[in-house]
Amino acid sequence: GQSLEQPSEVTAVEGAIVQINCTYQTSGFYGLSWYQQHDGGAPTFLSYNALDGLEETGRFSSFLSRSDSYGYLLLQELQMKDSASYFCAVRDLNYGQNFVFGPGTRLSVLP
Amino acid sequence: DTGVSQDPRHKITKRGQNVTFRCDPISEHNRLYWYRQTLGQGPEFLTYFQNEAQLEKSRLLSDRFSAERPKGSFSTLEIQRTEQGDSAMYLCASSALGDKNPYGYTFGSGTRLTVV
Repeated sequence: GQSLEQPSEVTAVEGAIVQINCTYQTSGFYGLSWYQQHDGGAPTFLSYNALDGLEETGRFSSFLSRSDSYGYLLLQELQMKDSASYFCAVRDLNYGQNFVFGPGTRLSVLP
Repeated sequence: DTGVSQDPRHKITKRGQNVTFRCDPISEHNRLYWYRQTLGQGPEFLTYFQNEAQLEKSRLLSDRFSAERPKGSFSTLEIQRTEQGDSAMYLCASSALGDKNPYGYTFGSGTRLTVV
């Protein structure tokens, strides 16, 4: 089967940098995605990593190490609007085209 | 095109009743997914369509659940004989291989089902 682990909660202050980790166990790993979801809202796609290394998109960056079965989402220059839940999701070719989502990390940004 | 639309936004039903939800994906997206999300959890995969073909279905999905995408455009998800455990947010998402981010899903706002 598959399993993903993320910290349940993270708290940081405005302007800071925060890293949200994700570890996964899967036999047919193909890629790792990150999504943001505000309370009552739809998940919004942030990034996708299929190869090792860092992908940067504005204030957000995502990292993948396939040998360590580990990835992280890095949020820089935190803003209040970044307060949300963040989900990692893996694509496992043994399970088809869909992504399996982690339990999510709730980020609270304090003034 | 304004994204993925789902209808209704909220549905309250009595246990044992049947319910049907509709999803209109982004028009040029040929892939459509249904997920279910309960409070404090990540979305859980239910089923996947490529065009009108239902290619994948979660092994956890009860026989009471059925989904269709008759013309490869909109999709419906039906739950028969609803149970209280079916109470959740039902999310629809779409994607296309030709997208800038082919592995990024665009989710709709969901249908919140409450079974009483």
